[in-house]
Amino acid sequence: QKEVEQDPGPLSVPEGAIVSLNCTYSNSAFQYFMWYRQYSRKGPELLMYTYSSGNKEDGRFTAQVDKSSKYISLFIRDSQPSDSATYLCAMSRGMYSGGGADGLTFGKGTHLIIQP
Amino acid sequence: GAVVSQHPSRVICKSGTSVKIECRSLDFQATTMFWYRQFPKQSLMLMATSNEGSKATYEQGVEKDKFLINHASLTLSTLTVTSAHPEDSSFYICSARSDRGLGNEQFFGPGTRLTVL
Repeated sequence: QKEVEQDPGPLSVPEGAIVSLNCTYSNSAFQYFMWYRQYSRKGPELLMYTYSSGNKEDGRFTAQVDKSSKYISLFIRDSQPSDSATYLCAMSRGMYSGGGADGLTFGKGTHLIIQP
Repeated sequence: GAVVSQHPSRVICKSGTSVKIECRSLDFQATTMFWYRQFPKQSLMLMATSNEGSKATYEQGVEKDKFLINHASLTLSTLTVTSAHPEDSSFYICSARSDRGLGNEQFFGPGTRLTVL
């Protein structure tokens, strides 16, 4: 079983729809959770970061973490064609703990297509 | 925002040669840099973590003598793939983090596509 599972898609939705992206993980040592957006031939760009169970909202984006179920989600409201990209969930065991614990474990990424 | 560059963006080399990839933080000092690798249809996988002025910490299964990492300054880390072979062909991407004023976000470079013939 991979540490982080994420459906690669593609996920195609019409413009204006609410998008739900999800990841599950198996390692309870993960404490910090992130969502990145990656456009073709570019490096990942951080969208959301959280370290506690519950919801965190930033504009059209909401990140949700359920540590008891080892499940994280990203919701995108009023989706736009410019949101079309690959969305990567990522998590780490540490933050400024030194060594490899701060490194990120990524899901495979979900390819999202927003149809105009 | 914080910018990380990588050079080269793409490299093709013959089997047995060594290839050096540079990762630079352009507008901030990176106390920690991370190197990741991504094979087709796979996740980005952490290879190693390097802190400025100290030896890199490698993930299990990553050969430290094959993937040499140098983080000699606060703005530059290099990854050298020694005696590259076709199975080393992959997408290599670095990230940089500062613990001074920028929070704990990792900023990613655009990646380097390595093809070993």
